[in-house]
Amino acid sequence: DTAVSQTPKYLVTQMGNDKSIKCEQNLGHDTMYWYKQDSKKFLKIMFSYNNKELIINETVPNRFSPKSPDKAHLNLHINSLELGDSAVYFCASSQDRGSNQPQHFGDGTRLSIL
Amino acid sequence: SQKIEQNSEALNIQEGKTATLTCNYTNYSPAYLQWYRQDPGRGPVFLLLIRENEKEKRKERLKVTFDTTLKQSLFHITASQPADSATYLCALDLYSGNTPLVFGKGTRLSVIA
Repeated sequence: DTAVSQTPKYLVTQMGNDKSIKCEQNLGHDTMYWYKQDSKKFLKIMFSYNNKELIINETVPNRFSPKSPDKAHLNLHINSLELGDSAVYFCASSQDRGSNQPQHFGDGTRLSIL
Repeated sequence: SQKIEQNSEALNIQEGKTATLTCNYTNYSPAYLQWYRQDPGRGPVFLLLIRENEKEKRKERLKVTFDTTLKQSLFHITASQPADSATYLCALDLYSGNTPLVFGKGTRLSVIA
């Protein structure tokens, strides 16, 4: 009955590879997010989708491409992985896009680039 | 530049005491401010939301205040317990409306028995 689930939990891969992280929410929420938490623990927004439409796209390299096949899913594909991409990536969802909405987070995907 | 600061990286208190965490911001005019708890290896969990026109919000042993003049929010945990040990994050929107949340770096609270 997990509300926001991400897979995989851990991802260890070589520099230059392409990888994907999947996220699903069963809360019936309209809005989903991807955040990056780096080694300094700052949690920064990367993307946000509302009803499958991209509404926030922060300054993120083009190598990162989100995809939302339906409003319950938001996947993140990363091309040509670099050492600096090592971080924990969190998916989250909220009822709608308003900043008065609590966000529900998954438990993160720990990406390590060798 | 716009900034959010949480008073200290780590805070240690004795069990039973009140923990007070501070979130200061500059150059924002947030309509809402949220507090989250994050345990090691887990995602943040929403605790409380307070609106700009609210002075105080309570939930069980938790209390949040929001002073838009001082540009500060205080987060209190009364009768603290070792189970309250975690990192606490404040988050706010840049200005009222559909703007993304900006998170502070967090304060790691340790409640010592």
